[in-house]
This record gives sequence, structure tokens and C-alpha cells, in this order.
Amino acid sequence: GQSLEQPSEVTAVEGAIVQINCTYQTSGFYGLSWYQQHDGGAPTFLSYNALDGLEETGRFSSFLSRSDSYGYLLLQELQMKDSASYFCAVRAPLKGSARQLTFGSGTQLTVLP
Amino acid sequence: DGGITQSPKYLFRKEGQNVTLSCEQNLNHDAMYWYRQDPGQGLRLIYYSQIVNDFQKGDIAEGYSVSREKKESFPLTVTSAQKNPTAFYLCASSIGGTDSYNEQFFGPGTRLTVL
Repeated sequence: GQSLEQPSEVTAVEGAIVQINCTYQTSGFYGLSWYQQHDGGAPTFLSYNALDGLEETGRFSSFLSRSDSYGYLLLQELQMKDSASYFCAVRAPLKGSARQLTFGSGTQLTVLP
Repeated sequence: DGGITQSPKYLFRKEGQNVTLSCEQNLNHDAMYWYRQDPGQGLRLIYYSQIVNDFQKGDIAEGYSVSREKKESFPLTVTSAQKNPTAFYLCASSIGGTDSYNEQFFGPGTRLTVL
């Protein structure tokens, strides 16, 4: 099966940098995704890493180390609107050849003024 | 505008009743998914469908049923056999295919409460 661990809560101030870590255990691994979900809303895709290294998309970056079964999401120049839950999700086989997402429990980020 | 719609937004059900949650997409995606989210928790996969007329159980399929008669539609029925159905239900879709990554697009969700 698959299991993922990420911190339940992180707090930072506006303009700061915050890193949300994710460690995973899977039987088979194809990649690590990150999703953002505002309270009561739909999750939205942020990034995907299939290979080791850093992927940058604007203020957000995501890192993967497959040998360490570890990844992180880095948020720079934090804004109040970044207050949300952030989920890591591994793409791994579930049934036969299907490659599906298994989500972590989420990290609630609170950005303070 | 392309997207995924779910209805209703809020749903109340009496114990012992079956209820069907709607999910429609006009993104021309082959794959569709149903997830359940409980307070403070991540998303858990209930059922998924990679193509019309085919679907597979996810991690927590017991007490749920689905159909995929049309590409655009993937309704979820919460049956009376589901012991703790109160939750936030999210539908998602992706282009599909097992050999390449496709991000999943989510609908706005249906919040089901059992009275």
C-alpha cells in the first residue's frame, strides 16, 4: 500500500518563505504531486515531479528525492491568499496497470499579516 | 467554459436512504474519479473510471456504487450500506491514459450530511 506523511499545520508571516515536507512509502512510484485547497473548495493542481530535482513555477517550487522518498513544496513571498491546505499525492499503481493518486492528510498553512 | 460540475452543493439524507451525487464534465476527459474527504483529512479514492462502461473500486468502495454510461457523466450512489456517509465528496477528471501523467481537475464538491 501507500502512506504519506506531512505536517498538519504550518504558520508563517506575509512575505516569508515556507517549506512543506512530504515523506512517502509506496509499492511502486511514478511521481509526486502537490494540490492546494482553500477551505470548503476544490483542490487545484500546483506541481508534479517525476524526476529528482527542483521544479519552479512562479512563487511555488517543488522538490523530489526518490532515493529518500521525500519531497517538499516551497512557497516564496507568501501572500494572505496562500492560506490554504496543501496536499502531497503520490502517483502509484493501485489496481493492475492503473496509476492513481494517493493523497496525504494535508498541511494547513496559515499566513499572518 | 469547460469544467466539472457537481450537484447538489449540500445534501441531507435520512439514515437508511440511498442518495445519488451528480458529476458532469465537458472537458472531454476519459478518466473520472470520486473521492471522499473527512474533516482535517486527505482525499480517499472511492471509485474511478478510465473509460466509458468501465470502472474500478478504489480504497473505500464499500457502501458506494457508480455507473459510467456516458463519457461526460459519473454519478455516485451512496447506499444505506455505507455506515458513516457524512463527508465532503469530490469528483475529478483527467485526460486519462496510464502511461503519462495527467493532472486531475476537481469539481466544487457535494457536502453530504446524514440526519
